[in-house]
Amino acid sequence: DAGVTQSPTHLIKTRGQQVTLRCSPKSGHDTVSWYQQALGQGPQFIFQYYEEEERQRGNFPDRFSGHQFPNYSSELNVNALLLGDSALYLCASSLVQGGEQYFGPGTRLTVT
Amino acid sequence: DQQVKQNSPSLSVQEGRISILNCDYTNSMFDYFLWYKKYPAEGPTFLISISSIKDKNEDGRFTVFLNKSAKHLSLHIVPSQPGDSAVYFCAASARAPGTYKYIFGTGTRLKVLA
Repeated sequence: DAGVTQSPTHLIKTRGQQVTLRCSPKSGHDTVSWYQQALGQGPQFIFQYYEEEERQRGNFPDRFSGHQFPNYSSELNVNALLLGDSALYLCASSLVQGGEQYFGPGTRLTVT
Repeated sequence: DQQVKQNSPSLSVQEGRISILNCDYTNSMFDYFLWYKKYPAEGPTFLISISSIKDKNEDGRFTVFLNKSAKHLSLHIVPSQPGDSAVYFCAASARAPGTYKYIFGTGTRLKVLA
């Protein structure tokens, strides 16, 4: 039973560029959430997707956008990258009716 | 505004002894609490959760206690093992109002000494 998978593992981008991160949820899960974890901090909620719609959003600018596909996988897009966007980006999947969120290993984004 | 606080950045415990990790929260709407463990280069791993209708939940060596009046929860690990060395995050959500996002604390690094 595959858990949550994310790609790529690491990514280096330049300021102003755009990036797309990918996530496949745990088998049977239908809801995907994205979190940003800066160094020394806890994960911060970006947004959650269910039925291909953004269900809830945290305090992140519109530069952060996402998408969920019919197979429940998801993408996180960040436009006009800033140095402060450098962080570990975590994807978590769950069931819409509740229960724990299960996290993937994350994508480490470095913006230079 | 840090709604979930873990005031101890680190904790060292001897193998076999009890580890107690603490977490405080400020939002009275939180009704579901979780603990996650994180090793380097891995995502957080779910450990144990508790609903606000309970004050204790136990799973093997791990027990979570919830004190709603003090807005405080703690994770007890007994006995502690070297493999428990990791960063522990507490998280909270307000499910009843329909909010499913988790709010995380900043983590406590636990080191279990052999």
